[in-house]
Amino acid sequence: KNEVEQSPQNLTAQEGEFITINCSYSVGISALHWLQQHPGGGIVSLFMLSSGKKKHGRLIATINIQEKHSSLHITASHPRDSAVYICAVTQGAQKLVFGQGTRLTINP
Amino acid sequence: DTAVSQTPKYLVTQMGNDKSIKCEQNLGHDTMYWYKQDSKKFLKIMFSYNNKELIINETVPNRFSPKSPDKAHLNLHINSLELGDSAVYFCASSFSTGRGEKLFFGSGTQLSVL
Repeated sequence: KNEVEQSPQNLTAQEGEFITINCSYSVGISALHWLQQHPGGGIVSLFMLSSGKKKHGRLIATINIQEKHSSLHITASHPRDSAVYICAVTQGAQKLVFGQGTRLTINP
Repeated sequence: DTAVSQTPKYLVTQMGNDKSIKCEQNLGHDTMYWYKQDSKKFLKIMFSYNNKELIINETVPNRFSPKSPDKAHLNLHINSLELGDSAVYFCASSFSTGRGEKLFFGSGTQLSVL
């Protein structure tokens, strides 16, 4: 079993829907990251958080340290949000351990 | 303007060859990384360097040798390429926020070994 598990693995929704992607981890961490990988392949860091909640535009990330769980929410989803969303945790100083990714498709 | 740039973007080569992938960052970060993404899109760390010193080496075969001539560059040299080396390789750099490393990724190098 992977130290970082995401669900669902695939998610298809209609434009405008509220999206939630979940991430659970089983190891001690100093930070949790949400990354976005578009079909072109590039990876962008969306959030890095170690507690609470962060918001950027239509994206919201939350983390519950006690439950070792994080969620990424997208409000008013749009086809351009279609991408693979990857959860990763920082162990120790610099080691990142990745989830398997969630492929999100938003249909118009 | 590109913050983390890696070249080439695509690399197609024969088994047994030796190849290099170059990475440069102009962000002034002290830490750089190489990650491998397999065919199932699963990312895994290979190496990290901090100020030209190797910090993490994640049981990567000796055929892979990172080289950091200065803290802005981290190149990846691969000897005797094998079919299983086919993957996308991402370079990244980071700075410490005190609560973790904020990451910036290159655009990836798709390596195909025939």
